[in-house]
Amino acid sequence: ELKVEQNPLFLSMQEGKNYTIYCNYSTTSDRLYWYRQDPGKSLESLFVLLSNGAVKQEGRLMASLDTKARLSTLHITAAVHDLSATYFCAVRYNNNDMRFGAGTRLTVKP
Amino acid sequence: GAGVSQSPSNKVTEKGKDVELRCDPISGHTALYWYRQSLGQGLEFLIYFQGNSAPDKSGLPSDRFSAERTGGSVSTLTIQRTQQEDSAVYLCASSPWMLAGELFFGEGSRLTVL
Repeated sequence: ELKVEQNPLFLSMQEGKNYTIYCNYSTTSDRLYWYRQDPGKSLESLFVLLSNGAVKQEGRLMASLDTKARLSTLHITAAVHDLSATYFCAVRYNNNDMRFGAGTRLTVKP
Repeated sequence: GAGVSQSPSNKVTEKGKDVELRCDPISGHTALYWYRQSLGQGLEFLIYFQGNSAPDKSGLPSDRFSAERTGGSVSTLTIQRTQQEDSAVYLCASSPWMLAGELFFGEGSRLTVL
C-alpha cells in the first residue's frame, strides 16, 4: 500500500526566513500534488507536478518532484504571515487513487 | 454552483443514530472521492468512484460505512449506528478525467457524535 510521509509535521518560522517541507512516498508515481488548508476551511490546490524534474513556482512557494527518489519538496522563500496554513502533499497511483500525507502545519511569526 | 457542494455543513447526532452526508460534484467531473479528517489530522481515504466502474471501497473503516453515487453525479455517504470515534469532517472531492487530475474539494461536513 502507498505510504506518503511529510516532514516536518509542525513548522514555526519567522517572517523573512526560508524553509523546505519534504514529502516522501513509497510507490512509483509520476503525479504529485500540493494543497493548502486554512483553519476551518477546505483544501485548495497549489501545485500539480506531472513528471520527474518538474518544478512549479507561485509567489514565495516553489515545488519540485524527483520521481526516482520518490521525493517532492515545497520550498518557502522569505516567509510572510499569510503563508500560515497546513500544507498537504498527495500522490496519485493506480491511475486514480489519491493518498495524502499527514500535513505540515506552518506558522509564520512576525 | 461552480464548486463541489456538500450538505449538511454541520451535523450533530446521538450515538447509535444513522447519518447521511451528501456531495454534489462539479458538473462533468467523472471521479468522486470521500475523505475523513479528524481534528488536527491528515486526510483518511474512504472511497472513490470513477464513472460507471465499481467503486474502490478499500478505505471504508467498517461495514457501518457505505456510499453510493447515483447517475454518475451526486454521492451519499451513509454511516449507520454512529459511534463517537466517527466524529470528524467528511470531505468530498471531484476530479475531471484528464491528465492533471487534481482534486477539487467541497467545504466538508462536520459530524459530531454525542
